[in-house]
This record gives sequence, C-alpha cells and structure tokens, in this order.
Amino acid sequence: KAGVTQTPRYLIKTRGQQVTLSCSPISGHRSVSWYQQTPGQGLQFLFEYFSETQRNKGNFPGRFSGRQFSNSRSEMNVSTLELGDSALYLCASSSAGQGVHTEAFFGQGTRLTVV
Amino acid sequence: GQQLNQSPQSMFIQEGEDVSMNCTSSSIFNTWLWYKQDPGEGPVLLIALYKAGELTSNGRLTAQFGITRKDSFLNISASIPSDVGIYFCAGPIGSQGNLIFGKGTKLSVKP
Repeated sequence: KAGVTQTPRYLIKTRGQQVTLSCSPISGHRSVSWYQQTPGQGLQFLFEYFSETQRNKGNFPGRFSGRQFSNSRSEMNVSTLELGDSALYLCASSSAGQGVHTEAFFGQGTRLTVV
Repeated sequence: GQQLNQSPQSMFIQEGEDVSMNCTSSSIFNTWLWYKQDPGEGPVLLIALYKAGELTSNGRLTAQFGITRKDSFLNISASIPSDVGIYFCAGPIGSQGNLIFGKGTKLSVKP
C-alpha cells in the first residue's frame, strides 16, 4: 500500500507570493490533516478534512486555507507569504471516521522557504 | 491550552544502552501515539496506545499508557546507531482527533 505522498518536496517562494501544496493520502483514508513544523513552535495543527469538509481548524490566520477533493486528495494554500511561513508542512492521513480517532500516518513533508 | 510535556529534551547515549523518555499532560488522553522523525522527513508512527495501563512493544521499543491517562513512556532497549532521531509523543484533542505533539526528545547514539 502506498504511503502518504506530498508534492513538491521543496519550494522557495518570495514574500507576498502564494503557494499551493498537495497531499495524496493512503488509499482508503478519508481524513487528511495538515501540520506546520518549525524549530521554535514544533508541530502545530493547521486543519483537518474529512469527506471534502473541513472538520477542524487550528490557530492560524486566514491566509492558510485548504480543501479536499472527492478522491480524498488535499491541497493547502498559503497566500501573501511571510518570512515566518518558512517551515516543513506535513500532511497526515488516517482512517478516522466520525468522532473516532485512529493512528495518523505522515508524508515526507514539503519544505517551504520564503525569501 | 492543552500541551504535552516531553522529557528529556535530548539524550546522548552509548550504543547498546537502554533509553527511556516520557510524556505528561495536565489533561486526560484516550490515545497516545509515539513517532520518530529523521532529519528532513515526516514523523513515522512507532506505537499507538489506546487503553490506560496498556503496554505495547514493537521490536526493541516498548511504550506504556499511564494509569492516570495523563502520561506515557517509551523505552528503547539495546540502542543502535539507527535509533538516532527525534521522538515525539502525540495525543488527539477534541472529538475529531487533531493531534497535539510534545516538543520531542532528540536521541544521539555514540557507536
């Protein structure tokens, strides 16, 4: 079974630009979550999608958004990039159903550098 | 808000030694997850715990779900160089189960 796939692996963007990151979950998994990892703040939850609906959202500004498609693939978008958005963005998929938590499996991440 | 306190922050050990690390919270968790992350990679799930008092092994790794449901422990026996990395504990918050993570324990193994 293929794991969680994130593309691209690396990105360099300029302040003020926007970026879209992609995540393909493990086949059969309908829940996709996104996390931001930085040396200072560690791993922080961005949002979670289940069956194309955002179920949960972390404490991030509205510049961070996402969506999920009918095949469970997900994208996250960051608009008006700031230097502080430089981070490793991780996607995790799980087979969690309504209100049920199971293990989350992570992709390799997208390393975003904002210059 | 909820947070997970993970200790120690870092460990420097000799190959062959056993390692212990733990994670505590002021809140109750129904699930504890332990992950390992190598540089530049995503976290890899090592062990999942679902029941208070549960003791689960995965090879040389053993993890326990504390009786109070507010803590968990991870032990690595007979460490080897490839055990190097950062180990994270995590637990779900809210009904939908987004995870919060500890700050990690960085393990270095000297051959």
